[in-house]
Amino acid sequence: SQKIEQNSEALNIQEGKTATLTCNYTNYSPAYLQWYRQDPGRGPVFLLLIRENEKEKRKERLKVTFDTTLKQSLFHITASQPADSATYLCALDVGYQKVTFGTGTKLQVIP
Amino acid sequence: DTGVSQDPRHKITKRGQNVTFRCDPISEHNRLYWYRQTLGQGPEFLTYFQNEAQLEKSRLLSDRFSAERPKGSFSTLEIQRTEQGDSAMYLCASSLDRSIQETQYFGPGTRLLVL
Repeated sequence: SQKIEQNSEALNIQEGKTATLTCNYTNYSPAYLQWYRQDPGRGPVFLLLIRENEKEKRKERLKVTFDTTLKQSLFHITASQPADSATYLCALDVGYQKVTFGTGTKLQVIP
Repeated sequence: DTGVSQDPRHKITKRGQNVTFRCDPISEHNRLYWYRQTLGQGPEFLTYFQNEAQLEKSRLLSDRFSAERPKGSFSTLEIQRTEQGDSAMYLCASSLDRSIQETQYFGPGTRLLVL
């Protein structure tokens, strides 16, 4: 069966450090993968999209990698700040203009 | 505000009642999606529209759920004979029709509690 796995446990990290979140998938061959941020009680907000032929994508303090052989994406936040505390969702293209979301990883940046 | 809006933001209802939610997408977006999200889970796809045509419905969407998008603008999601298991956040998202990039813009959601 198709599955998307993200760290189910919350990730606590000290302010200023780099946070690394993982998204693993099985039985998919996505043309692209996205990362979203979600704050409590709010809808997800799009952050980055990476295509299957791209290894890495950067945006300010954010970096995403995409390894289609390992079926894994890593999401990095450098110089993390308390304001980065949120749940981060990965979403995979499943064709027909649809994406499927992972369960999300809750990040807590400690001052 | 040019973002996606949803109404109401919160709804409390008794089991067996019908509820209807509204979503107003970003005006130039022709795709509209409905998702359901429960605590600790990611959004689960329910259905989506391309303009006014409903192109796909998840098997999660039982016969008690119906969605419409008349005239390809706003959309409504109705749940009939609500059950306690329907309690969740209902999210709407819209996107612009592009060949591959599918960036979805989400609304704030409607939180439903069925007592």
